[in-house]
Amino acid sequence: KAGVTQTPRYLIKTRGQQVTLSCSPISGHRSVSWYQQTPGQGLQFLFEYFSETQRNKGNFPGRFSGRQFSNSRSEMNVSTLELGDSALYLCASRRDRGLRETQYFGPGTRLLVL
Amino acid sequence: GESVGLHLPTLSVQEGDNSIINCAYSNSASDYFIWYKQESGKGPQFIIDIRSNMDKRQGQRVTVLLNKTVKHLSLQIAATQPGDSAVYFCAETPQGGSEKLVFGKGMKLTVNP
Repeated sequence: KAGVTQTPRYLIKTRGQQVTLSCSPISGHRSVSWYQQTPGQGLQFLFEYFSETQRNKGNFPGRFSGRQFSNSRSEMNVSTLELGDSALYLCASRRDRGLRETQYFGPGTRLLVL
Repeated sequence: GESVGLHLPTLSVQEGDNSIINCAYSNSASDYFIWYKQESGKGPQFIIDIRSNMDKRQGQRVTVLLNKTVKHLSLQIAATQPGDSAVYFCAETPQGGSEKLVFGKGMKLTVNP
């Protein structure tokens, strides 16, 4: 069974631009969560989607948004990029809701904002 | 507030030694804890988990200990191998309906041959 895939793997943008990242969960997994990873703040929860609905949200500004499609694939968007948005963005999927379901992470998209 | 932290930022051990990675958590209401391993260029990989009604759980070469009295979590790796070199994260899930994982900062384990 294929793992969680994320595209693109690397991205360079400039301040003020917007970016869209994509995540394909493991087949059969319906919950997708997004995390931001930086050296200073570590892994921080962005949001979780299940059945095309955002179920949980972390403490990030409204510039960060996401969505989930009927096939469970998910995208996240960051508008008006800031230098501080440079990070590794990780997507994790699990079969169903409930944290006792193991989350499987993708390799991440490394975003650099210049 | 919610915070999970690690006592040591780096740990260097010799191959074959046992490793112990510690983690402190602040939310006494957390009821589920997970250890993840992250190798360079990869996403975090699930290692082992433990519920708050347990104080010890064993996996293959790994053991997680939970001390709720002092809000402390540890990961023990037996006979550490070079392939164990990675950054290790503990994560907690606060009780009460919140389903987001709160991760610690991470600790780098280096295994010397």
